[in-house]
Amino acid sequence: QITLKESGPTLVKPTQTLTLTCTFSGFSLRTNGVGVGWIRQPPGKGLEWLALIYWDNDKRYSPSLKSRLTITKDTSKNQVVLTMTNMDPVDTATYYCAHGRKAGDSYGLFDYWGQGSLVTVSS
Amino acid sequence: DIQLTQSPSFLSASVGDRVTITCRASQGIYSYLAWYQQKPGKAPKLLIYAASILQSGVPSTFSGSGSGSEFTLTISSLQPEDFATYYCQQLNSYPRTFGQGTKLDLK
Repeated sequence: QITLKESGPTLVKPTQTLTLTCTFSGFSLRTNGVGVGWIRQPPGKGLEWLALIYWDNDKRYSPSLKSRLTITKDTSKNQVVLTMTNMDPVDTATYYCAHGRKAGDSYGLFDYWGQGSLVTVSS
Repeated sequence: DIQLTQSPSFLSASVGDRVTITCRASQGIYSYLAWYQQKPGKAPKLLIYAASILQSGVPSTFSGSGSGSEFTLTISSLQPEDFATYYCQQLNSYPRTFGQGTKLDLK
């Protein structure tokens, strides 16, 4: 079965860079049509789509955060890494990674999610 | 970016009720819409994709409809486990934006 798990620091200081790792099993990022994405959710608020990387290394970012985000994959380790620079207290959120699949002629449908990782930005 | 507006933002209902949540897109997105359910402290769960296709394992009390810029999620008979927050998401273009959410609670 497909599982994903986020790992990384729970606390970062303002201006620091956040590095989150999504370790997955049950699928391969070499498979046509597959992607892994990142979504965040500030406490008590809604979902925000951040980035997604596909099997062919196509990368998509939220335009509002693009200058701060980098998404990479290590297919051999079954991992996807998201880095976010210049962290600010408003970036405090639960960060989720998710398996994205092809649905019809659209890509990136999130059908499996990790449990989420709460990251607090505070000095 | 495509904006998705859900209505209502809050909804109180009783077990057995039929409820409908609407999601409106700022521009046409064909049928590239998904619905998710999220319970407190948990990750979202995919319910419906391509506007009306039920994800495997999701009860048939859930249904979706719509195309273009207006979509609905209907729960035909609310069960106790359905009280949660619901989000729509468009898959027409990047970024793959979400609606602001609809919190469904027990009346």
